[in-house]
Order: sequence, then C-alpha cells, then structure tokens
Amino acid sequence: ETGVTQTPRHLVMGMTNKKSLKCEQHLGHNAMYWYKQSAKKPLELMFVYSLEERVENNSVPSRFSPECPNSSHLFLHLHTLQPEDSALYLCASSQEIGLAQYQETQYFGPGTRLLVL
Amino acid sequence: EDQVTQSPEALRLQEGESSSLNCSYTVSGLRGLFWYRQDPGKGPEFLFTLYSAGEEKEKERLKATLTKKESFLHITAPKPEDSATYLCAVQLLFSGGYNKLIFGAGTRLAVHP
Repeated sequence: ETGVTQTPRHLVMGMTNKKSLKCEQHLGHNAMYWYKQSAKKPLELMFVYSLEERVENNSVPSRFSPECPNSSHLFLHLHTLQPEDSALYLCASSQEIGLAQYQETQYFGPGTRLLVL
Repeated sequence: EDQVTQSPEALRLQEGESSSLNCSYTVSGLRGLFWYRQDPGKGPEFLFTLYSAGEEKEKERLKATLTKKESFLHITAPKPEDSATYLCAVQLLFSGGYNKLIFGAGTRLAVHP
C-alpha cells in the first residue's frame, strides 16, 4: 500500500447505527486530518491530529468522535448520525515541522462515501 | 473572515481550447496557496504549491500563477483527460502553531473532443 488509504470506500447506515471509518497513511507523516465534502460545498476541516494529539476540533457535533492511536492510523467513529451527515469523508496527512515554518503539503486518501438513511 | 472564492463554478471547453481558472482569496497571513485536482469519487490529488506573489509553476498543460489577491490556473490546449474538479486552498497558521487549509468550492472542468 502506498499513500493514504481509507476503508470502507462506501458506507450506508441508519440513524441508530454505530460505525467507524478508518484511515492509514504510508508516507511517514506526523499529522492527520478529517475533512467533510458535501455536494457543491468547499471541503470542511473537521479534526486535526499532530503527533497523535488532537490540535483542532472545528465545532464538529459530538456524534463524530475521532481517534488517533498512532501517527499512521486515524479513525472516525460515527453514532446516531443525521441524513445531512451524508457526504464524502476525506482523510489527509502531512509532515508538520516545528512551529509550522514550512508549508507542508497535505495528501489525501480516496474518501469514504457515506449515506445516512 | 478568511475566504476563498473560485470562478467559474463550471467550465466547458473544446479540446485544444485554452482557458484559465481563477482563485481569489481574502485572508490574513497567507503561508501558501495549493491547487488540487479531484476526479469523481476520488480524493484530491496535489498539483502545485505557490508561496509568494509573482511565483509560477508548470506541469504538462497546467500553469499556476500567484498575485497578492488571486491565483490563476492556466490550461493550455486541454485534452479530455484534463476533465476534473480543480480545487484551490490557502494555507494559514492557526492557534497552536499548526497549518490549516481553507478550500474554495472548486471549478468543474469538462473538456470535450
């Protein structure tokens, strides 16, 4: 595997279900991100982890719960979602150096297409 | 408020018909501007990073330029395989000393034979 991988690629769930999205990066990066992409809207940053510590929680509802057990893996746990949460969920990674003196590129995975019924 | 606006929203070109996509931004403390390409059902693919006004970068039929208020993605003699959504993002430094990307809504490009 190379780059950033995400599983599953497609997910259909009911509003009472609990599911998890998984992301793995094979680039040796130390920062990982979750984004939400809805139709015709800009990518919205949800969470940022740097060195396995959450450094940004962008006013995301508590029904989304991130987990970063190590610098290569990132999870997004989902529970009691709403139909408006249906979207493409993208994971990205980058190499953050010190006090962000360098503008490091974020590399994206293929995304998980989520449909909430 | 930091904002990124892309235009046009959609663009249809004939093969070989050159054009430009625009990304205008209103941000404080720009650290870099990124262009990505996104194919349907896939994640964004990195194309270019521009750091300062006057900078230009090229890749095959694509050329990106940057001014103090906007960036252009010029497409020269496009081919059908250039059809995709092109995303622009500005990188800012947010509290905690970490980088943050703010994306535009994208331009959907369709190139017809």
